[in-house]
Amino acid sequence: GAVVSQHPSWVICKSGTSVKIECRSLDFQATTMFWYRQFPKQSLMLMATSNEGSKATYEQGVEKDKFLINHASLTLSTLTVTSAHPEDSSFYICSAFNPSGGEYNEQFFGPGTRLTVL
Amino acid sequence: GENVEQHPSTLSVQEGDSAVIKCTYSDSASNYFPWYKQELGKRPQLIIDIRSNVGEKKDQRIAVTLNKTAKHFSLHITETQPEDSAVYFCAASVTGTASKLTFGTGTRLQVTL
Repeated sequence: GAVVSQHPSWVICKSGTSVKIECRSLDFQATTMFWYRQFPKQSLMLMATSNEGSKATYEQGVEKDKFLINHASLTLSTLTVTSAHPEDSSFYICSAFNPSGGEYNEQFFGPGTRLTVL
Repeated sequence: GENVEQHPSTLSVQEGDSAVIKCTYSDSASNYFPWYKQELGKRPQLIIDIRSNVGEKKDQRIAVTLNKTAKHFSLHITETQPEDSAVYFCAASVTGTASKLTFGTGTRLQVTL
């Protein structure tokens, strides 16, 4: 149980275009999902917390108008990178919080999406 | 907010030796400390976690210790094997409703034959 998928697994786009990444919890309802960005040889940096039915909470320094997050259902959150530029090239990973997962707060990670902006 | 520091950044050990990775955290409210293993291009995998009401937890060759007073926790891997080679991240959060994780900077572990 507690499987999280992401789509696509990788994407290459031209500078200035927008890219949408989907994060799905396959066997549980996730009221909260998290979006991370990981540059090569660096740690995971939290970008935003996505709550079902409400606006996402962005971390300091993350542009909410550039990284649009929509959490329209309990099993799906999407991250749209708008007007992507080469510096947005990174590994984007989502995680989902399973409220039925006990008090440990374990988050379940998706497989990641590698974005390359040319 | 929470700040998690992790050392060393790289660690090379011979197969069969032990490896120790240390983390410190700043927020005394943090009470959940997971450790993740990440292979290149893959998702982080939870390998062990510990809560603040416990000082030590062990799972086969992996153990984690927590010193809440000093705000530091450590990962211990014994009898290392080549397949243990990966990047390891510690993290900290506050248990409750979907609290966010703050990750350490990562340790690249290389187990040599």
